[in-house]
Amino acid sequence: AQSVTQPDIHITVSEGASLELRCNYSYGATPYLFWYVQSPGQGLQLLLKYFSGDTLVQGIKGFEAEFKRSQSSFNLRKPSVHWSDAAEYFCAASQGGNTGKLIFGQGTTLQVKP
Amino acid sequence: GAGVSQSPRYKVAKRGQDVALRCDPISGHVSLFWYQQALGQGPEFLTYFQNEAQLDKSGLPSDRFFAERPEGSVSTLKIQRTQQEDSAVYLCASSYRQGAYNEQFFGPGTRLTVL
Repeated sequence: AQSVTQPDIHITVSEGASLELRCNYSYGATPYLFWYVQSPGQGLQLLLKYFSGDTLVQGIKGFEAEFKRSQSSFNLRKPSVHWSDAAEYFCAASQGGNTGKLIFGQGTTLQVKP
Repeated sequence: GAGVSQSPRYKVAKRGQDVALRCDPISGHVSLFWYQQALGQGPEFLTYFQNEAQLDKSGLPSDRFFAERPEGSVSTLKIQRTQQEDSAVYLCASSYRQGAYNEQFFGPGTRLTVL
């Protein structure tokens, strides 16, 4: 079955430190891949997406992600975390097709220490 | 001209009651999705509309769940005879066109609590 796994439920980093959030997918073929951020009381916001081509994709708010086919991974990174980055992060995948329905991972909660 | 809106934002229902959750997508968006997000989990797909046509309802957990989008804009998710396991945040999303390459814009969700 198609699935997305985020191995880390909770991560704490210090402000200014680098960040990497892990995401692994299990699909028959390479899916479309997404990272979303969810702040309390807010809707999910798209950070970045990968469809094809360059395996390093840039997103909003200084985030980037790297697609690695050999590892079935799509990890999210940020060189220097700001306190406002504290939120829940979701990796998602879609097989494409006409609907575009998303399959989400369980999410990773990011806490930022001052 | 704002984003996706949902109402009510919070709903408390007694077990066995029927509830109706509303989604106003971004004007002109063809595609509309409903997701269910249980506490501490990622959203799970419920159903998909392209205009007024419900093309995929494979994620609806039981026949107590029903969704409609009669005029191809506003959508309503109805849950009949609510159960405690229905407690979750229900998210609506819309996109301009069909297909995964079109960004889905999410509403803030409706938090349903069934007592």
